[in-house]
Amino acid sequence: EAQVTQNPRYLITVTGKKLTVTCSQNMNHEYMSWYRQDPGLGLRQIYYSMNVEVTDKGDVPEGYKVSRKEKRNFPLILESPSPNQTSLYFCASKVMGGLNTEAFFGQGTRLTVV
Amino acid sequence: TQLLEQSPQFLSIQEGENLTVYCNSSSVFSSLQWYRQEPGEGPVLLVTVVTGGEVKKLKRLTFQFGDARKDSSLHITAAQPGDTGLYLCAGDGTSYDKVIFGPGTSLSVIP
Repeated sequence: EAQVTQNPRYLITVTGKKLTVTCSQNMNHEYMSWYRQDPGLGLRQIYYSMNVEVTDKGDVPEGYKVSRKEKRNFPLILESPSPNQTSLYFCASKVMGGLNTEAFFGQGTRLTVV
Repeated sequence: TQLLEQSPQFLSIQEGENLTVYCNSSSVFSSLQWYRQEPGEGPVLLVTVVTGGEVKKLKRLTFQFGDARKDSSLHITAAQPGDTGLYLCAGDGTSYDKVIFGPGTSLSVIP
């Protein structure tokens, strides 16, 4: 089954404690992306990657890091989480080709930073 | 900066009613997509519209892309409780393969 898998689904952590949210896709997609979703703001892109070892900043990259060492994996790293990073996070993947291609989303990770 | 606005933000209707939600921008997009997101899930693509004036139908859902390619609408006929969810429009951003999303319309269909 084609899917994007995120882990964990839910995470509560304390300010400053480094964490990683994993994302894996089994569709051999070149493009992967991380979004955060906040009420009234929609999905805002954090980072994206167009291929292995190629990553770039989205609209809200501050406080986040990513890596793309393998095509299937695109982890999101919060080195020192802060309460304003409390949000619902989604990983997505798609083939390259502009908006005419479908983005497949994971089920989301609800992060709370206290 | 390209922005997508959606209206209404919230909509609660009775089963069987018709409704229209809107996606607007001051920017021109080469194409727009509509996604539906159910509670606890990620968004799922419904349709992509690419030609100004284009109309696409998906069962009871009708999607239209404005002639100037700055806006789009989604019309649902005889809404069902299964239509409940967050409807997001998405447009191609300024850089290749970048996608920007509107804030969404949260639809609740009451049985």
